[in-house]
Amino acid sequence: AQSVTQPDIHITVSEGASLELRCNYSYGATPYLFWYVQSPGQGLQLLLKYFSGDTLVQGIKGFEAEFKRSQSSFNLRKPSVHWSDAAEYFCAVGAGSNYQLIWGAGTKLIIKP
Amino acid sequence: GAVVSQHPSRVICKSGTSVKIECRSLDFQATTMFWYRQFPKKSLMLMATSNEGSKATYEQGVEKDKFLINHASLTLSTLTVTSAHPEDSSFYICSAIGLAGDNEQFFGPGTRLTVL
Repeated sequence: AQSVTQPDIHITVSEGASLELRCNYSYGATPYLFWYVQSPGQGLQLLLKYFSGDTLVQGIKGFEAEFKRSQSSFNLRKPSVHWSDAAEYFCAVGAGSNYQLIWGAGTKLIIKP
Repeated sequence: GAVVSQHPSRVICKSGTSVKIECRSLDFQATTMFWYRQFPKKSLMLMATSNEGSKATYEQGVEKDKFLINHASLTLSTLTVTSAHPEDSSFYICSAIGLAGDNEQFFGPGTRLTVL
């Protein structure tokens, strides 16, 4: 069955430190992969997406993610987090021709001053 | 570009009443819109997929008579929660895909429904 796993419910990182949020998927075909961020009171915002080509994808706000087919992973990274990065992060896989997304459970990022 | 709005942002209603939530694509035409429900500290649960001019496709376990979806135009979809009960209280989010169809969904800011 198709699924997306974000193993960390929440992660605490010091401001200025590096960040990696994990995402693993189970999908039979070549996946379309997405990372979204949801801040309190705001809608979901797309950080980056992978459809094909270069497996290292650059996104907005200094985020990047790497698609590793052998590990079925699409981990999100940022070299130095800012307090404004505190939010909920969702990984999603595009499934099927009707553009539906399969969502991970989300990882809450907490930033320590 | 690619802005999706939802109205209202918050609504409080009495049990037994119906509530309509609007989802609009402001600067593009949306061939497909999705309605999600998000529980506290949980991920998004897809409720239904809505294509302009046709009936919505509901996910398993979602009552189509309870959650009426209308996608009357390429810029507007509505979700009506009929005979709302406290257990329907939730955060409802819509998203839209444009005519370019590049698999990217654009999300509305969500509607917080509280049923008393």
